[in-house]
Amino acid sequence: GAGVSQSPSNKVTEKGKDVELRCDPISGHTALYWYRQSLGQGLEFLIYFQGNSAPDKSGLPSDRFSAERTGGSVSTLTIQRTQQEDSAVYLCASSKGRGADGYTFGSGTRLTVV
Amino acid sequence: AQTVTQSQPEMSVQEAETVTLSCTYDTSESDYYLFWYKQPPSRQMILVIRQEAYKQQNATENRFSVNFQKAAKSFSLKISDSQLGDAAMYFCAYRRAGGTSYGKLTFGQGTILTVHP
Repeated sequence: GAGVSQSPSNKVTEKGKDVELRCDPISGHTALYWYRQSLGQGLEFLIYFQGNSAPDKSGLPSDRFSAERTGGSVSTLTIQRTQQEDSAVYLCASSKGRGADGYTFGSGTRLTVV
Repeated sequence: AQTVTQSQPEMSVQEAETVTLSCTYDTSESDYYLFWYKQPPSRQMILVIRQEAYKQQNATENRFSVNFQKAAKSFSLKISDSQLGDAAMYFCAYRRAGGTSYGKLTFGQGTILTVHP
């Protein structure tokens, strides 16, 4: 596509429910990144993919968080048993190769856990 | 670990004037990349300018330029002829050039820029 597409744009969920956030990168971009933005913590790296592999998942905050990427394209970030502290904007980005030219970000998913 | 610090939570500028946003970083690496991103209310992070650490020449993109001081680990952004559309949150970011964690952008806390007509 023309840009990085994220869905849903906004998600309200009840505490304890599972949620899936989707990211559709720019066609041909081999690398894909997930970040979390919250008032208290700023912008935090979560995980990145090169192709379907995740060389660095060091930013995932707990084992309730997981992500996968299939076909070198769409990625899904799953949060199980959501907690109120998971409320944040989840940003996805993609890049050609190793991203030395910078990353293209989507508009994010605002997750609110009530 | 690398850290990025933006010491100015908020800045303001008059339309058509010049403003400089500050950024310092800490790293033991010699090769890396630095970026400035703009985030308007739409939430989408937009790349403003990038700098490769091994290049001494400061990057320039139209009205945006940087002052890169490698020894001082300083990377400031200068916006000339400010426009109302420049109003946004600006983030400074660092990325290693290699290694398995190259995908990780480390961001500063951000600076909110207000442009007055």
